[in-house]
Amino acid sequence: AQSVTQPDIHITVSEGASLELRCNYSYGATPYLFWYVQSPGQGLQLLLKYFSGDTLVQGIKGFEAEFKRSQSSFNLRKPSVHWSDAAEYFCAVGGGATNKLIFGTGTLLAVQP
Amino acid sequence: NAGVMQNPRHLVRRRGQEARLRCSPMKGHSHVYWYRQLPEEGLKFMVYLQKENIIDESGMPKERFSAEFPKEGPSILRIQQVVRGDSAAYFCASSPPDRVGETQYFGPGTRLLVL
Repeated sequence: AQSVTQPDIHITVSEGASLELRCNYSYGATPYLFWYVQSPGQGLQLLLKYFSGDTLVQGIKGFEAEFKRSQSSFNLRKPSVHWSDAAEYFCAVGGGATNKLIFGTGTLLAVQP
Repeated sequence: NAGVMQNPRHLVRRRGQEARLRCSPMKGHSHVYWYRQLPEEGLKFMVYLQKENIIDESGMPKERFSAEFPKEGPSILRIQQVVRGDSAAYFCASSPPDRVGETQYFGPGTRLLVL
């Protein structure tokens, strides 16, 4: 079955520290992978996406993610977190005939001063 | 280029009433997706539509829920005889035509509260 797992429900980091949010997927075909961010009461904003090619993907706001096919992972990283990064982060996989997205349950990021 | 528009942003209904949620895709986008986010959960796919066609409704509850995307006007998600369990945030996303794996752009959502 197709699924996305985000093992960390909550993560707290200090401002300026590095960040890694984990995402594992199960998908029968070539996956298209996405990271979205959601601020409270808001919609989802695309951070980055992987379709093919270079497995290290750069996104907005200084985020990057690495696709590792052997580990079925697509972890999100940022070298130095800012207080404005506090939000909920969703990993998603899409593709197939309809391209519907399957989301993980999200990771809520808190940033300490 | 305006983003995906959804209205209303907040909707309060009493049990048994109807809820009608609207979504206007980005200009040039002909694919619309609806997702539901229950409290403390991720987004779940509901339905995928193209103009005048329902392509995939595998995530729609079998009863009380319907969706349309007419030739003219916004896409509508309709929930009849709402129950408390329908309280959730409903997000619409749109994408350009005919490109598999294309990015979906999300609207701000409609937060439905059923009393």
